[in-house]
Amino acid sequence: SAVISQKPSRDICQRGTSLTIQCQVDSQVTMMFWYRQQPGQSLTLIATANQGSEATYESGFVIDKFPISRPNLTFSTLTVSNMSPEDSSIYLCSVPRAGTGELFFGEGSRLTVL
Amino acid sequence: GEDVEQSLFLSVREGDSSVINCTYTDSSSTYLYWYKQEPGAGLQLLTYIFSNMDMKQDQRLTVLLNKKDKHLSLRIADTQTGDSAIYFCAESRSNQAGTALIFGKGTTLSVSS
Repeated sequence: SAVISQKPSRDICQRGTSLTIQCQVDSQVTMMFWYRQQPGQSLTLIATANQGSEATYESGFVIDKFPISRPNLTFSTLTVSNMSPEDSSIYLCSVPRAGTGELFFGEGSRLTVL
Repeated sequence: GEDVEQSLFLSVREGDSSVINCTYTDSSSTYLYWYKQEPGAGLQLLTYIFSNMDMKQDQRLTVLLNKKDKHLSLRIADTQTGDSAIYFCAESRSNQAGTALIFGKGTTLSVSS
């Protein structure tokens, strides 16, 4: 299984600021996914980040709000821009297992926007 | 619809069986998954089933798949208080970027002693 580390694990942010979340994987992976889990809700896919190409965003998510970098096969960042209280959520990085497609998740980054 | 649907709550007594149901949407999903999330913890894969199977058993867990109705269920035998958690059903869905998992809203299982 893949080991995924996310930083920060939690943060309290002011409205209007931006925060970048880092995701480090202990093995090389082509695909990485960013999900959001709002309080009491399920996981919603934000975007798919493939190394060497621009991220593909799901309906309702845009690059200006959630810019993503994928500089190499073990690392990605997600920035939450111009935050509002509605962005308070857990943001999760995940990678798939080859074959079964199951996802391994990081511990998540819990953001609270005041 | 486009959502993976699950009932939101299930309450059982310790020792009883629990059955959590899910309706998925993508008939081309190769695998279907059940994840567990304990309070304050991350997601943990419980089990998965290949789409050409109709049943998979793994110790106390039994997964049933009805492809015709796009219905997936998870049965937990001899439910314990430690099984109290949120259970998420997920299907695989492919787009131009790759294959991601789409999750249901989760079923909160409450086990009373």
